[in-house]
Amino acid sequence: DAKTTQPNSMESNEEEPVHLPCNHSTISGTDYIHWYRQLPSQGPEYVIHGLTSNVNNRMASLAIAEDRKSSTLILHRATLRDAAVYYCILPRTGNQFYFGTGTSLTVIP
Amino acid sequence: NAGVTQTPKFQVLKTGQSMTLQCAQDMNHEYMSWYRQDPGMGLRLIHYSVGAGITDQGEVPNGYNVSRSTTEDFPLRLLSAAPSQTSVYFCASRKIRRRDTEAFFGQGTRLTVV
Repeated sequence: DAKTTQPNSMESNEEEPVHLPCNHSTISGTDYIHWYRQLPSQGPEYVIHGLTSNVNNRMASLAIAEDRKSSTLILHRATLRDAAVYYCILPRTGNQFYFGTGTSLTVIP
Repeated sequence: NAGVTQTPKFQVLKTGQSMTLQCAQDMNHEYMSWYRQDPGMGLRLIHYSVGAGITDQGEVPNGYNVSRSTTEDFPLRLLSAAPSQTSVYFCASRKIRRRDTEAFFGQGTRLTVV
């Protein structure tokens, strides 16, 4: 099963873009890359997912490296509400979601 | 839609007591799972189910039982609560067991075992 590596924490100024990296060097060809975030005292919520091409939705963009060994979640304009722990997940065998410790994003007013 | 509903939101148990955490979803999702989250850590998978009548173990199944008699409900039972089971418990559901479907999570049950 592929493993992901993320920085423990990052900071961003409000209204600036944020790039959250994730390394997954052992990813297989059929592994989707999922991103979830967990706001304080809440359950995780879906952000975005992709396979090979870059993806955009109303919340964020996902940039996937050409070799798929890394990806970057992009928040185009960070708001205070974006302060959360962000998890990069590759569903494992059986499609179970296994969470690491994620990246804790602090947004500075 | 209500999504994934967990009850209760908070619970205090004494060591040795048993209880059931409830999880219900109204999205007709086949796949449901239970996680626990300890302070400062990510979520760890306890048990999961791919449909009514089918359950399997995750990373940390010891001390917990599950059953899936209907598509909507997936209760988690603590047989004999221990302080090590103090944690926040999350239930999740997905439409089908595919790698490109998103998961929906409940708001969690905060359990304290004294």
